[in-house]
Amino acid sequence: EAGVAQSPRYKIIEKRQSVAFWCNPISGHATLYWYQQILGQGPKLLIQFQNNGVVDDSQLPKDRFSAERLKGVDSTLKIQPAKLEDSAVYLCASSRPLVNTEAFFGQGTRLTVV
Amino acid sequence: GNSVTQMEGPVTLSEEAFLTINCTYTATGYPSLFWYVQYPGEGLQLLLKATKADDKGSNKGFEATYRKETTSFHLEKGSVQVSDSAVYFCALIPSGGSYIPTFGRGTSLIVHP
Repeated sequence: EAGVAQSPRYKIIEKRQSVAFWCNPISGHATLYWYQQILGQGPKLLIQFQNNGVVDDSQLPKDRFSAERLKGVDSTLKIQPAKLEDSAVYLCASSRPLVNTEAFFGQGTRLTVV
Repeated sequence: GNSVTQMEGPVTLSEEAFLTINCTYTATGYPSLFWYVQYPGEGLQLLLKATKADDKGSNKGFEATYRKETTSFHLEKGSVQVSDSAVYFCALIPSGGSYIPTFGRGTSLIVHP
């Protein structure tokens, strides 16, 4: 089966600009996650969707970050305006809607804010 | 809240050496436990998992045993290869609530020929 697709792979922007990332999960996976991975750290969950509803967004900086998952399939994550500390890899993952089910990750988008 | 603690890296080994990467967790109930591997420039890939106490997950020569009494899930491999060089992440999914995954900081493994 096709894996989780993300684009773009790399993005360089200036601080205060806006940026958007796109994710297409594995077909049939109802659960979708966005993670932020800062260099040298583990992934930090930003938001979790179940179909097109939000399960958890407690660690999403809502003053600048937003995410949506229209029709319960593709998802976009947006940052506006970006700060230097947003430089990180943004990982999208998906899983089947079952307990104890592992997540499948995309290759990520490496964002550099200068 | 839930948390995962991994040993600091990098771990540097010679080829064919024995590997242990320690992982301990804090969670209520009986979480599911996972090891993921991240090769340079790639996303995370599931390496192995265990869903209940005393379960042993294994894959590609790696194994880890779910120890409820010590809240641990240490990763081991009897003979590492250069191709095992990567960052390894321990993770848990709690058994209740919203099933939100929690990851450790990752442990970098460098294997020399």
